[in-house]
Amino acid sequence: DQQVKQNSPSLSVQEGRISILNCDYTNSMFDYFLWYKKYPAEGPTFLISISSIKDKNEDGRFTVFLNKSAKHLSLHIVPSQPGDSAVYFCAASPPSLGTDKLIFGTGTRLQVFP
Amino acid sequence: EPEVTQTPSHQVTQMGQEVILRCVPISNHLYFYWYRQILGQKVEFLVSFYNNEISEKSEIFDDQFSVERPDGSNFTLKIRSTKLEDSAMYFCASSRARANPYDLQYFGAGTRLSVL
Repeated sequence: DQQVKQNSPSLSVQEGRISILNCDYTNSMFDYFLWYKKYPAEGPTFLISISSIKDKNEDGRFTVFLNKSAKHLSLHIVPSQPGDSAVYFCAASPPSLGTDKLIFGTGTRLQVFP
Repeated sequence: EPEVTQTPSHQVTQMGQEVILRCVPISNHLYFYWYRQILGQKVEFLVSFYNNEISEKSEIFDDQFSVERPDGSNFTLKIRSTKLEDSAMYFCASSRARANPYDLQYFGAGTRLSVL
């Protein structure tokens, strides 16, 4: 039962270039999406979110795009920095169903090299 | 910056033993959660807790699991008789108000549970 999928377990990008992390979901009832970043020995920390009424949300170097018809979202990091090296989790939530739980993907490990 | 604190960072136990994982949520938060991540798999929701009662639980959260807020600061997850498959990283989270989209869930660093 993989309602949220991150098909790329790892991604390696050169510093200064764009990092694109992808996420697919299966349940059309999901209407709120989040990206969390996780460093080793730390908990996931919130990065950016998007509501299903939008198709783009931008915060500094981070932009999340949502394509509802394709049930796909992506996180763009421009420019990528070595400090961005971490595991990135996509998470979905159906608050319209009265639940607060987050449904996570398996994560993508991003490595940004000089 | 306030943070969610979890102890211990690593717990090793024998199969069949009881374990209690402890969490201190952010002080003005009212909603509490436990998630777990088995190695190599996704982070999975276990339970949410509000106003001293469980508000939602997953299929994973069976009779072997329980949660408690024994005092004004701690939030605990108890596993009564651990199984090998309970080995995972357990994350506690808290939010000030109902999360998604009203407020964020803030996560602790996790407790790695190893059942031998």
